Amino acid sequence: DTEVTQTPKHLVMGMTNKKSLKCEQHMGHRAMYWYKQKAKKPPELMFVYSYEKLSINESVPSRFSPECPNSSLLNLHLHALQPEDSALYLCASSPAPGQGATWADTQYFGPGTRLTVL
Amino acid sequence: GDSVTQMEGPVTLSEEACLTINCTYTATGYPSLFWYVQYPGEGLQLLLKATKADDKGSNKGFEATYRKETTSFHLEKGSVQVSDSAVYFCALSDQVKTSYDKVIFGPGTSLSVIP
Repeated sequence: DTEVTQTPKHLVMGMTNKKSLKCEQHMGHRAMYWYKQKAKKPPELMFVYSYEKLSINESVPSRFSPECPNSSLLNLHLHALQPEDSALYLCASSPAPGQGATWADTQYFGPGTRLTVL
Repeated sequence: GDSVTQMEGPVTLSEEACLTINCTYTATGYPSLFWYVQYPGEGLQLLLKATKADDKGSNKGFEATYRKETTSFHLEKGSVQVSDSAVYFCALSDQVKTSYDKVIFGPGTSLSVIP
């Protein structure tokens, strides 16, 4: 099973709302990632988790709050977003160093959550 | 720093035409090279990869060869289908670094195949 699942598929929220994006994988990968993708652009890295600990935060505003409650799940909590935060949010996973892998191993992407902030 | 350059398109081809999407890279270390494909409304899928010089990655009729001397990883397909319409991203990831170093993506090439 090489599938990464993401829910919801679409999300519309106001600037005062609080919502969460969810990501799940059952490949045993211990590295998980959040990316943001604007239309016609490549994905931009937001966060990296390794063994359920936050390893990388690419200077993301605090209105985005990631959480990795266990080795299969990754959440992204959203609060007080701006319209410019509207984008496709992609989750990915890969084997982590210590799993016989390097950081250059293939990342497996989910289908994404299409977020619209009104 | 590391970078990836690829033709941005859009590229429009007729069905059964030959496809080449050029990709060149600069890297200080020893990168793994990838082609990812993104179909409309979907996430990225790995299309093929290569991890060392002269390796050829192949999948679904697509091929790309890791050319260290020309720092290139061009994507080719002999006969495209309408279902190949998508955005194609060339990417690299440094194999040497022990701490995380983010995947470098090219800007993407939009391909439209018309019947």
